[in-house]
Amino acid sequence: DTGVSQDPRHKITKRGQNVTFRCDPISEHNRLYWYRQTLGQGPEFLTYFQNEAQLEKSRLLSDRFSAERPKGSFSTLEIQRTEQGDSAMYLCASSTRTGMGTEAFFGQGTRLTVV
Amino acid sequence: DAKTTQPTSMDCAEGRAANLPCNHSTISGNEYVYWYRQIHSQGPQYIIHGLKNNETNEMASLIITEDRKSSTLILPHATLRDTAVYYCIAASSNTGKLIFGQGTTLQVKP
Repeated sequence: DTGVSQDPRHKITKRGQNVTFRCDPISEHNRLYWYRQTLGQGPEFLTYFQNEAQLEKSRLLSDRFSAERPKGSFSTLEIQRTEQGDSAMYLCASSTRTGMGTEAFFGQGTRLTVV
Repeated sequence: DAKTTQPTSMDCAEGRAANLPCNHSTISGNEYVYWYRQIHSQGPQYIIHGLKNNETNEMASLIITEDRKSSTLILPHATLRDTAVYYCIAASSNTGKLIFGQGTTLQVKP
């Protein structure tokens, strides 16, 4: 098991273009999370899935953002009509619930730059 | 989720113990205390978590006060590679959602 994998690691796009990021969680983890992190700030929660169901979305997630997790395995995060303010690191994490709290394991992130 | 308060920055000498405090006075009964760290340009790394009892693993020890209103993360023998931003988070295991604050920037000095 190689941990949480995110692709691509870096993405530069022009304003107004659509981008899609992929996250492959640790294989037995049924929970998957997306976070966004801007320079100098801690990560901000965006959304999470339990299996294929999207159970919570932050108010930070505007209508231009959509996330999916078909079949409860990998997940994609799409941003439509990108804006310069979308420039950030997008982090994915996965976990599985136990009776002793939940350890989440993070990927290395996708750094998005909108020019 | 309960709000946590941490010092903005701390220094520690290499080889000495690093003690990072965290206040979580509004923590509720079903919330765990989690510690993560983030080294520049990498994803956050899980360190340790606990509910009421003190916990220890290969990376660190977590001391939680009896009233659960504060905790301390202890790195017993800090190395230069422990230089990072350390986040203390109080979160329920119902969702596993983590609300990160600004964290403590720990600088380990030779």
